[in-house]
Amino acid sequence: AQTVTQSQPEMSVQEAETVTLSCTYDTSESDYYLFWYKQPPSRQMILVIRQEAYKQQNATENRFSVNFQKAAKSFSLKISDSQLGDAAMYFCAYGGATNKLIFGTGTLLAVQP
Amino acid sequence: ETGVTQSPTHLIKTRGQQVTLRCSSQSGHNTVSWYQQALGQGPQFIFQYYREEENGRGNFPPRFSGLQFPNYSSELNVNALELDDSALYLCASSLVLAGVYNEQFFGPGTRLTVL
Repeated sequence: AQTVTQSQPEMSVQEAETVTLSCTYDTSESDYYLFWYKQPPSRQMILVIRQEAYKQQNATENRFSVNFQKAAKSFSLKISDSQLGDAAMYFCAYGGATNKLIFGTGTLLAVQP
Repeated sequence: ETGVTQSPTHLIKTRGQQVTLRCSSQSGHNTVSWYQQALGQGPQFIFQYYREEENGRGNFPPRFSGLQFPNYSSELNVNALELDDSALYLCASSLVLAGVYNEQFFGPGTRLTVL
């Protein structure tokens, strides 16, 4: 069975600084996707970035980028130039052949002005 | 393009009662997945519906059941409610095509409280 682990329950960053959120996963599948979702207090789960496992190049979306280490089964999220609106719960998620998502326990990110 | 909507927003029930939660999928999507998110936890997969058939189920008892309608909207039914059923219930829709993975779009959720 696939598992997703987020070992940082809470993180804090100063506005305009860079922060990295960690995620590790376990799977025996060769074809899969990895995601970072943001869940603000409004509860709406918003996709931040996605990475296809077959792609060696790390995904980037504006200020958000990932460090995907397939052999180590590691998938970290880097947020550059942090903004107050980035404060939220961040979930790492795995999507495989079954098309269901497996989520980690989340990292609560606080952004200090 | 209308996003995923869920109703009601909040719901309070008593232990032993039954509840129905509703989800309208995003236009053009044919698959709906339901997740349970307990307080302080990540969402847990309940089940998925594809073309009105259950297409995968997580580790939830049979008292959790669902439906998908021809317009691809969906219902989640929970019988014999227990206190541990208190959670945020998230619905996500996607367009599933053979061999192609597409993003799941989430609704705002229904907060269920069981007293």
